[in-house]
Amino acid sequence: SAVISQKPSRDICQRGTSLTIQCQVDSQVTMMFWYRQQPGQSLTLIATANQGSEATYESGFVIDKFPISRPNLTFSTLTVSNMSPEDSSIYLCSVLRADTNTEAFFGQGTRLTVV
Amino acid sequence: AQSVTQLDSHVSVSEGTPVLLRCNYSSSYSPSLFWYVQHPNKGLQLLLKYTSAATLVKGINGFEAEFKKSETSFHLTKPSAHMSDAAEYFCVVMSNSGTYKYIFGTGTRLKVLA
Repeated sequence: SAVISQKPSRDICQRGTSLTIQCQVDSQVTMMFWYRQQPGQSLTLIATANQGSEATYESGFVIDKFPISRPNLTFSTLTVSNMSPEDSSIYLCSVLRADTNTEAFFGQGTRLTVV
Repeated sequence: AQSVTQLDSHVSVSEGTPVLLRCNYSSSYSPSLFWYVQHPNKGLQLLLKYTSAATLVKGINGFEAEFKKSETSFHLTKPSAHMSDAAEYFCVVMSNSGTYKYIFGTGTRLKVLA
């Protein structure tokens, strides 16, 4: 299995500020994804992080609000910009390994509260 | 478009009795299906997966699921519930568009009564 380190594990932020979440994997992976889980809800895909190029965003999510970087095969960041209380959620990093290509592993998540 | 529907948002069972969590899928092609569990304040853990091999899939902690194409179902079962099984369970289908994206169901919260 892939070991994923996601930081920070939680944070409380002021509205209007930005937070960058980091995702580090212990091995090279094919795919990296960012999900959002709003309180009491299921997971919704924000975007696919592409190595060395712009992320691929799902409907309803835009780069200006959720800029994503992926400089190499083991690291990605998600920034939540100009935060509002509606951004309070758990943000999760997910990876697919090149040798399985079907089974995804998830980080522990970042619990964000915007006040 | 692919999707999964979890038919029950909440399920309560007594400890030692069987568990049934229902999931129906929609897919034009033979899907890859998964069940994940999320314990409170914990990350997501894979229980089992179906990837067009055996239709009865055995997972961890005594869980299993049966892929039924005729019914477009992938229900999760366990013969005897344990208190530690109390958690949120997600049925997931992987997109077959070559993007490897996961599409999550809305989740079923399992409560186990002593």
